Amino acid sequence: QQPVQSPQAVILREGEDAVINCSSSKALYSVHWYRQKHGEAPVFLMILLKGGEQKGHEKISASFNEKKQQSSLYLTASQLSYSGTYFCGISRGNAGKSTFGDGTTLTVKP
Amino acid sequence: NAGVMQNPRHLVRRRGQEARLRCSPMKGHSHVYWYRQLPEEGLKFMVYLQKENIIDESGMPKERFSAEFPKEGPSILRIQQVVRGDSAAYFCASSPLGETYGYTFGSGTRLTVV
Repeated sequence: QQPVQSPQAVILREGEDAVINCSSSKALYSVHWYRQKHGEAPVFLMILLKGGEQKGHEKISASFNEKKQQSSLYLTASQLSYSGTYFCGISRGNAGKSTFGDGTTLTVKP
Repeated sequence: NAGVMQNPRHLVRRRGQEARLRCSPMKGHSHVYWYRQLPEEGLKFMVYLQKENIIDESGMPKERFSAEFPKEGPSILRIQQVVRGDSAAYFCASSPLGETYGYTFGSGTRLTVV
């Protein structure tokens, strides 16, 4: 079952913050985040495995709620290079595939 | 340490021809995943393989599509008798031990069926 990502698109000015959400109707084993620029491959950002976990650094970080049904990606003081489409991938077990959301397109303008 | 290598980068096929897409995972990675992406859309799971085994092919169309990951050599995604609807970017990803590490994606193969 595919995770639901929101919002679908975000437009920011440099220096502004953004939050991208990824939710599932059932508890997950893991959630991972990727950024894809147009015409390129998705690039791994981080993976979260534990309920209540927070990960990343001050500019790009993510959380996984206690029930392991929702994750949020936080982009702080955005830079032009943050532009791209962000995908979350979810897995229900440690030996299976990941299912990706439809993506959130982030555009950072000067 | 080379990343995930996919070739060709671009592939043009006429309707009815066969397309063969290759993927060499990162060194030390034993899990390979294939995803298809249509323009402006998300990544749709196709198949998950380990060496000589298909673990999950629930995303593969029942006909014309097949995948393998032999003991020696790259993983191959094969599409027989291609149709225009097969035009897409096909990404391969690998991971060392399944879900605990996240994926490293290759640069993809852009298949165009004319």
